[in-house]
Amino acid sequence: AQSVAQPEDQVNVAEGNPLTVKCTYSVSGNPYLFWYVQYPNRGLQFLLKYITGDNLVKGSYGFEAEFNKSQTSFHLKKPSALVSDSALYFCAVRDKGRGADGLTFGKGTHLIIQP
Amino acid sequence: DARVTQTPRHKVTEMGQEVTMRCQPILGHNTVFWYRQTMMQGLELLAYFRNRAPLDDSGMPKDRFSAEMPDATLATLKIQPSEPRDSAVYFCASGRDGGEAFFGQGTRLTVV
Repeated sequence: AQSVAQPEDQVNVAEGNPLTVKCTYSVSGNPYLFWYVQYPNRGLQFLLKYITGDNLVKGSYGFEAEFNKSQTSFHLKKPSALVSDSALYFCAVRDKGRGADGLTFGKGTHLIIQP
Repeated sequence: DARVTQTPRHKVTEMGQEVTMRCQPILGHNTVFWYRQTMMQGLELLAYFRNRAPLDDSGMPKDRFSAEMPDATLATLKIQPSEPRDSAVYFCASGRDGGEAFFGQGTRLTVV
């Protein structure tokens, strides 16, 4: 079975500082990895994905994530946080070898950027 | 701008009534997901279709929930009979094999 862990329910960062939202995953094969963002009363918006290739993936709104196979992690990062980045962030995984499995999401991390 | 469309956006119903939620996936996408979001459980996968065939509905209470894709432009999720514990936001998402899923705005269901 595939699973995702987001160990922090909430992350607080001052505006202008770098931010990291942590994600670790578990799959039996090789992973597809994704980050999504959700604003209040909205659906999830896709930020970025890792399929293959470079371990550092760049996405929307200045976000990036680093795939680390040995640590089974896919942490989301941004060099300089904006107040508008405050939202709920979800990490998701799919096992490449198991086409019948849907996307499995973590519990989500509330990111709060303080002015 | 292609997007997943869900109707209705909000639904309030009485316990025991049938509820039908509809989803129009993005044209050309061959995978469709139904998720339920609650504060307690987070995002739960209810059903997953590929090329209109159901691949996984293990997350769905079979006695009251059913999911179908009558054609490539419509996915439905039905609850009969509805119960207060079904109150949640239900999301439909579509995508292509191996790629990201694009989410609709959700249906906020309240069962009283």
